Amino acid sequence: NAGVTQTPKFRILKIGQSMTLQCAQDMNHNYMYWYRQDPGMGLKLIYYSVGAGITDKGEVPNGYNVSRSTTEDFPLRLELAAPSQTSVYFCASSNPHSNQPQHFGDGTRLSIL
Amino acid sequence: QQQVKQSPQSLIVQKGGIPIINCAYENTAFDYFPWYQQFPGKGPALLIAIRPDVSEKKEGRFTISFNKSAKQFSLHIMDSQPGDSATYFCAASKNAGNMLTFGGGTRLMVKP
Repeated sequence: NAGVTQTPKFRILKIGQSMTLQCAQDMNHNYMYWYRQDPGMGLKLIYYSVGAGITDKGEVPNGYNVSRSTTEDFPLRLELAAPSQTSVYFCASSNPHSNQPQHFGDGTRLSIL
Repeated sequence: QQQVKQSPQSLIVQKGGIPIINCAYENTAFDYFPWYQQFPGKGPALLIAIRPDVSEKKEGRFTISFNKSAKQFSLHIMDSQPGDSATYFCAASKNAGNMLTFGGGTRLMVKP
């Protein structure tokens, strides 16, 4: 079982560049989430989705965009990278209809220089 | 209020000690309380969870104690080992698969 797969694992960007962080899950979960975790800190919710075609903002959405065209995939887009977006990004998924709790990927470490 | 408050922020114990991490919540609609364990370079992984119809749940060396009236729950690690050194997050939600509200995390170090 792959679970939640995130790519890439590491990335260095220059200020102003854009990129997409990929997230895919194979558990048929309908809820998916993006978090960021700054060094030594907790998890902050960026965006979440309760199903294909439905997304909503979390606690810290500014500077990010998401889309959910399929159940399996939930990419996170950074349009104009800023140093404040240097962080570790985690994707997670869950299914409330079958009481399946959140499973996390192993994260993408992003540095913006 | 959706907050979950976790303490302490960091904890150091000797091998064999019993670290205790505490969490308090405000929303009485929460009915699922998991703990996640995170090792460096990895994503958080579900460790153990409890529902409010029981006051304690044990899985191996890990125990959750739950006090519904006080709106508090805690994680106890019996006979702690250096391999338990990690960051621990408590969380709460309305049923198991819904969005979680996370505590701020506790960095645990178990010294050999």
